[in-house]
Amino acid sequence: DTAVSQTPKYLVTQMGNDKSIKCEQNLGHDTMYWYKQDSKKFLKIMFSYNNKELIINETVPNRFSPKSPDKAHLNLHINSLELGDSAVYFCASRPRQERGEKLFFGSGTQLSVL
Amino acid sequence: QKEVEQNSGPLSVPEGAIASLNCTYSDRGSQSFFWYRQYSGKSPELIMFIYSNGDKEDGRFTAQLNKASQYVSLLIRDSQPSDSATYLCAVAPSGGSYIPTFGRGTSLIVHP
Repeated sequence: DTAVSQTPKYLVTQMGNDKSIKCEQNLGHDTMYWYKQDSKKFLKIMFSYNNKELIINETVPNRFSPKSPDKAHLNLHINSLELGDSAVYFCASRPRQERGEKLFFGSGTQLSVL
Repeated sequence: QKEVEQNSGPLSVPEGAIASLNCTYSDRGSQSFFWYRQYSGKSPELIMFIYSNGDKEDGRFTAQLNKASQYVSLLIRDSQPSDSATYLCAVAPSGGSYIPTFGRGTSLIVHP
């Protein structure tokens, strides 16, 4: 069973469209994240969310919004897609707020905006 | 702005040699330090973490931490072609909002 699953794996769309990427974890983890990885492999935090608080990286455009219907899901909605949004988006989760706890990553979603 | 710096490489080493990967960080409040390996087209996977000054060894991998110098490194002994990947350094604060900050990664190529 996949621990952190993302769908779709590939997403090709036109500029201006609105799209969503889904993420689900079956590990019972408390915290979930969205990271964006650009073409140069730079993995940049976008959002951190647990059942108590949402932390937003201030550099993320407000066209991006996380939606968490429950503890196991953190979906990413993107409005008015732009060329610069093309990247690989990784969802990740972490069990609890303890030192040394690793992140469990999903397999990534390759977004291409044409 | 919390920053994690890595040389992007590529770092090329012959099979059997020691590969040395380096990382510096700006936030003195950082408490946890990680090395992730990422193969092309795959997601990052954790290979080492360290939070105390000194060395930590796990098989062919050794992580080294020097908090005074804000420096963390990864040594890979007896490098194999299968070690060829991008190595991401990640740093996290203690408590509070635990958000690991990643470096840009170092590309390692191990040639036969």
